[in-house]
Amino acid sequence: AQRVTQPEKLLSVFKGAPVELKCNYSYSGSPELFWYVQYSRQRLQLLLRHISRESIKGFTADLNKGETSFHLKKPFAQEEDSAMYYCALVQAGTALIFGKGTTLSVSS
Amino acid sequence: DTGVSQDPRHKITKRGQNVTFRCDPISEHNRLYWYRQTLGQGPEFLTYFQNEAQLEKSRLLSDRFSAERPKGSFSTLEIQRTEQGDSAMYLCASSFDRAVVGTQYFGPGTRLTVL
Repeated sequence: AQRVTQPEKLLSVFKGAPVELKCNYSYSGSPELFWYVQYSRQRLQLLLRHISRESIKGFTADLNKGETSFHLKKPFAQEEDSAMYYCALVQAGTALIFGKGTTLSVSS
Repeated sequence: DTGVSQDPRHKITKRGQNVTFRCDPISEHNRLYWYRQTLGQGPEFLTYFQNEAQLEKSRLLSDRFSAERPKGSFSTLEIQRTEQGDSAMYLCASSFDRAVVGTQYFGPGTRLTVL
């Protein structure tokens, strides 16, 4: 079955510390993976997608097919990074399958 | 265009009543999705439209749920005979079929509370 697992409900770090939000997936075929973010009182929005191999707001994510992972990383966390982060994969080219999300809390 | 809009933002109803939610996608987007999100969970896919055609429905979409997109623009999601288990945030998203698949723009959601 297609599934996305985010093992951490909450990740708390200090400002300036490195961040790694974990995501593992189960998918038969070539997955297309995404990170979505929801800041407080805002709507869910796309952060980045693996196909673009981009860095957004200092975040990067590398698809590791061997480990079936797509972890989100940032070398130096900022307080404005505090949000809920969802890893997602595309099912059959249409709907997104989301993980349960990880709350990132960055404190000074 | 200010993005995807949903109406109402909040709905409180009694068990057994029918409710209807509306979603207005970004104007040039021809794909429209409905998701449901309960506490502590990520959004779960319900159904998907390409223009006015409903192309996919999740097993989560019981026969009490119906969705329409009559002219390929706005969409409605109706829940008949609501149950307490229907309490959730209902999210709508839209996309353009020529965009990278999975790039979806979400609305603010409609929070349903069934008493």
